[in-house]
Amino acid sequence: EDQVTQSPEALRLQEGESSSLNCSYTVSGLRGLFWYRQDPGKGPEFLFTLYSAGEEKEKERLKATLTKKESFLHITAPKPEDSATYLCAVHPGRSYIPTFGRGTSLIVHP
Amino acid sequence: GAGVSQSPRYKVAKRGQDVALRCDPISGHVSLFWYQQALGQGPEFLTYFQNEAQLDKSGLPSDRFFAERPEGSVSTLKIQRTQQEDSAVYLCASSLEAGGHEQFFGPGTRLTVL
Repeated sequence: EDQVTQSPEALRLQEGESSSLNCSYTVSGLRGLFWYRQDPGKGPEFLFTLYSAGEEKEKERLKATLTKKESFLHITAPKPEDSATYLCAVHPGRSYIPTFGRGTSLIVHP
Repeated sequence: GAGVSQSPRYKVAKRGQDVALRCDPISGHVSLFWYQQALGQGPEFLTYFQNEAQLDKSGLPSDRFFAERPEGSVSTLKIQRTQQEDSAVYLCASSLEAGGHEQFFGPGTRLTVL
């Protein structure tokens, strides 16, 4: 059974305080690992796709990395507008159905 | 821009009532997913369509849940005889192609069963 565990569940940062969110996974043949951002009352918004170990993607203050067992979402010098829940999802190679983690709730204080 | 839309945004139902939730995916998107999201949880898969074909409905909690996408575009999730445990946010997502691509989510329908 595919499993995704995200840590920490919640994270509070001061503006400018860099940190990382973790997504540990077990999946039978990874087709892709996805990061989404979800704001309160809205649907998840796509951020990144990673397909193979060693791959990295960047967008503004966010950088996603992937190993064979986990992915990290690094946030550099965060701003209050980065406050959201960040979700990780894995797509197994054998099906089209993704498994989502429970998310990390990030709050960035000004 | 034309993203994924869902209606209604909020629905309050009395226990035992039937409800229908609508999803308008991005035009031309082949794949359509329905998810259930409880407070503080990630989205849980319910069912998957590729065009008009329902390829996987393994996540539907019971036979009270039914989904359709008759013309390969708009989809409806129907819940019969609603129960309190059905209260959740129901998310719809579409994807351009089949299999393993980023999904574009709608804003969700928050269902409250009293």
